[in-house]
Amino acid sequence: DTGVSQDPRHKITKRGQNVTFRCDPISEHNRLYWYRQTLGQGPEFLTYFQNEAQLEKSRLLSDRFSAERPKGSFSTLEIQRTEQGDSAMYLCASSLVGTSGEQYFGPGTRLTVT
Amino acid sequence: GDSVTQMEGPVTLSEEAFLTINCTYTATGYPSLFWYVQYPGEGLQLLLKATKADDKGSNKGFEATYRKETTSFHLEKGSVQVSDSAVYFCALEGGKGGYQKVTFGTGTKLQVIP
Repeated sequence: DTGVSQDPRHKITKRGQNVTFRCDPISEHNRLYWYRQTLGQGPEFLTYFQNEAQLEKSRLLSDRFSAERPKGSFSTLEIQRTEQGDSAMYLCASSLVGTSGEQYFGPGTRLTVT
Repeated sequence: GDSVTQMEGPVTLSEEAFLTINCTYTATGYPSLFWYVQYPGEGLQLLLKATKADDKGSNKGFEATYRKETTSFHLEKGSVQVSDSAVYFCALEGGKGGYQKVTFGTGTKLQVIP
């Protein structure tokens, strides 16, 4: 299976701890996106990369959040000093340039901050 | 800014019933429109799309027509099955510049009972 994968699938952490999530996109896709989804809501855009360049960040992405895609392949999303309000499903998606609406999503990482 | 409004769920139907899930949008310019589906325990999947006015997207028996005059993209299926039980998200791709941001609705949960 060559779909989008995310690791871990679930993460429970205590408030104030740092967490890091990984996303492996479909190999030929040059765009990678991070979203956050809370219960009863649709995905909210956080940031996106084209190859290794981070081209846009949402105002939702506070300075505690950082994302990287160092070699234009996998990406990591780090949340520092986690807060209970960070509890959500974090989704990764990928696409080809020119087909942004046709995104392929991973299964998500569910973060619970206690 | 761009926005998508979906009918609230959950929607509960008997097998073989007709399905309509309403979606309206607000956007500048001429967005592309999408329906995504999220089956229980799985990631979001693109169901169908339409890129210009009067286009009809279709897949797996589902259809939606891009209606510019009513800014709508309602999802329909003539005869639903239990396996269609999922959460359905309407989305649009719009915005200015090189990156076409995708905006999702809040999702509509469909439950089909035998």
